Amino acid sequence: DAGITQSPRHKVTETGTPVTLRCHQTENHRYMYWYRQDPGHGLRLIHYSYGVKDTDKGEVSDGYSVSRSKTEDFLLTLESATSSQTSVYFCATQGQGSSYEQYFGPGTRLTVT
Amino acid sequence: KNEVEQSPQNLTAQEGEFITINCSYSVGISALHWLQQHPGGGIVSLFMLSSGKKKHGRLIATINIQEKHSSLHITASHPRDSAVYICAVRDFGNEKLTFGTGTRLTIIP
Repeated sequence: DAGITQSPRHKVTETGTPVTLRCHQTENHRYMYWYRQDPGHGLRLIHYSYGVKDTDKGEVSDGYSVSRSKTEDFLLTLESATSSQTSVYFCATQGQGSSYEQYFGPGTRLTVT
Repeated sequence: KNEVEQSPQNLTAQEGEFITINCSYSVGISALHWLQQHPGGGIVSLFMLSSGKKKHGRLIATINIQEKHSSLHITASHPRDSAVYICAVRDFGNEKLTFGTGTRLTIIP
C-alpha cells in the first residue's frame, strides 16, 4: 500500500459539466499516472507526470487535462464531460527508475449522464 | 507500441487445480508486471520481473525473454484467488506501462 487516495470515489454528473478527480499520495513518488479502465480494454493511460509541473499525454488524452502543483497531488480534469468518459479512473504512482513497481489507488467510478 | 496479449480471457477451475495464465508481447521489454484485481476492488501488484522466475506463496511467475512470453501459475487454487489477473509490460527507457486486457479467473469450491 503506497498511501494513495482518490476523491471522489463515485460521481454522477451531467454531460457538459466540468469534473475534477484528485489523486493524493504520501510516498513522495516522482511519477504519477491517470488511467481509465473500460470493459474489453486494458488499462489505458490518459496522462502522466514525471515531476511537479511536468506532465505528458498518454494514449487517450483527448478531452482530459491534468495538473501537478505539488508532489503529492495529481488532478485530472474533464473540461466538459461526455458520456464516452463514463469509466473507472485509477491513479497510480511509481518511484524513480524503471525498476520500481507501480502502486494503484482505489479507483473512481464516474458516470456521465 | 508494444502489443500485449493474454490468454485465456476467462478461466473457470475447481478448487485445488493448478492454474496457468499466459502473456505474450511483441517488442522487447525492460520489465513485466503481473497485477491482481478483485471484483469491485483495487489493483495490486503481484510480481515485477525482467528475467527468470519469481515465487510468492502459491503464486509463481516466469518469463522467457527470447520468446517474449510470461506465465503466471497458481498452485492449489482457492476461491479467494478468483480475480482478474493483468499483465503489463514496460518498454526500455520508458516509464509507462502497456497493459493486457486481463484474464478473469473463477475458482469454484
